[in-house]
Amino acid sequence: SAVISQKPSRDICQRGTSLTIQCQVDSQVTMMFWYRQQPGQSLTLIATANQGSEATYESGFVIDKFPISRPNLTFSTLTVSNMSPEDSSIYLCSVEGTGRTYNEQFFGPGTRLTVL
Amino acid sequence: QQPVQSPQAVILREGEDAVINCSSSKALYSVHWYRQKHGEAPVFLMILLKGGEQMRHEKISASFNEKKQQSSLYLTASQLSYSGTYFCGTEWDAGNNRKLIWGLGTSLAVNP
Repeated sequence: SAVISQKPSRDICQRGTSLTIQCQVDSQVTMMFWYRQQPGQSLTLIATANQGSEATYESGFVIDKFPISRPNLTFSTLTVSNMSPEDSSIYLCSVEGTGRTYNEQFFGPGTRLTVL
Repeated sequence: QQPVQSPQAVILREGEDAVINCSSSKALYSVHWYRQKHGEAPVFLMILLKGGEQMRHEKISASFNEKKQQSSLYLTASQLSYSGTYFCGTEWDAGNNRKLIWGLGTSLAVNP
């Protein structure tokens, strides 16, 4: 399994500002995923981040709004840019494990974002 | 296409059994099951692969019916710790883009 930490754990931000969320893994992993989850809702994939290549964004998410960096195999950042109240959500990073079962995902604890 | 989970919610007494289904209109390569407790991150339970065998995690087991493109999660003799929201994540191919498409979740409450 992988141990994942995220910073910050929560934040309250003003409309129009940007927030960068960090995701740190205790082992080297190839694939990292960024999700958004509204309370009580399902997981929505924002993008897949592979080290050494551009992130792949899902429909409805664009790089200008959610730029992602993946400088090495243990770290990634997601920036939520020019925030509006609609961006209030929980943001989760996950990594694909290298355990005995095939490509299970391990999740970080999440970042709870509130935009005023 | 997002998989369909049923039921949306289940309330059990401790010791009772439940079945949660996850159906897809598209042919699946694998189905993942996760449990998320309130305020926590999802936790991996098990994965069912196309052509693979039924899996088990403690008293929770799951199967994958390729004909129906449906996976079922069986919770036997439920415990209080089983409470949470269960999500299935589906994967359509075994290629490098191994993203999961998630169901809307099934809320499970186990009461004493």
